[in-house]
Amino acid sequence: DAGVIQSPRHEVTEMGQEVTLRCKPISGHNSLFWYRQTMMRGLELLIYFNNNVPIDDSGMPEDRFSAKMPNASFSTLKIQPSEPRDSAVYFCASSTGTGAYNEQFFGPGTRLTVL
Amino acid sequence: ELKVEQNPLFLSMQEGKNYTIYCNYSTTSDRLYWYRQDPGKSLESLFVLLSNGAVKQEGRLMASLDTKARLSTLHITAAVHDLSATYFCAVTNNAGNMLTFGGGTRLMVKP
Repeated sequence: DAGVIQSPRHEVTEMGQEVTLRCKPISGHNSLFWYRQTMMRGLELLIYFNNNVPIDDSGMPEDRFSAKMPNASFSTLKIQPSEPRDSAVYFCASSTGTGAYNEQFFGPGTRLTVL
Repeated sequence: ELKVEQNPLFLSMQEGKNYTIYCNYSTTSDRLYWYRQDPGKSLESLFVLLSNGAVKQEGRLMASLDTKARLSTLHITAAVHDLSATYFCAVTNNAGNMLTFGGGTRLMVKP
């Protein structure tokens, strides 16, 4: 299996621009998670989908952030408009959503820099 | 609110030495995970601990769980340079799906 795939790997944009991050979960996994990692705040869960449905978005920082999962193999995280404080590494993770271990497998991340 | 605390935050140790990283969490949980992250890389799953008294070992790393004390430990035996990385523990919520991460322990093993 290819694992969780994210694109782009690096994104540099200017304040005010729209940014879209993409994720393809592991085939057969029913749960998908978006995380943000910064030095100041560590790893934070932004939103969690199960069977393509958003279950908990309480970690989404503001209305500028939105996430979609139109099908089982694709999710997007959009920031519009972007701000310098959004600079971070954004990870997507997926899991089966069931079972004793229910491990989350992480993608390589997207390093976002907003100038 | 579930809180997860790790200590130490930073650990510098000599090769061949032993040390333990601690992970405390604030409420009951179904599972505890340990992840490793190399600089600029993603998170790699190391261990999943399910029950009180669970112990798992892989090479020089051994993880244990005490659910009554809400404490997990990651013990490093005879450290080698290749173990240098940041180690995170994470705990699930009651539904068992959402992870709350500790702040991480940055381990540096010196020759």
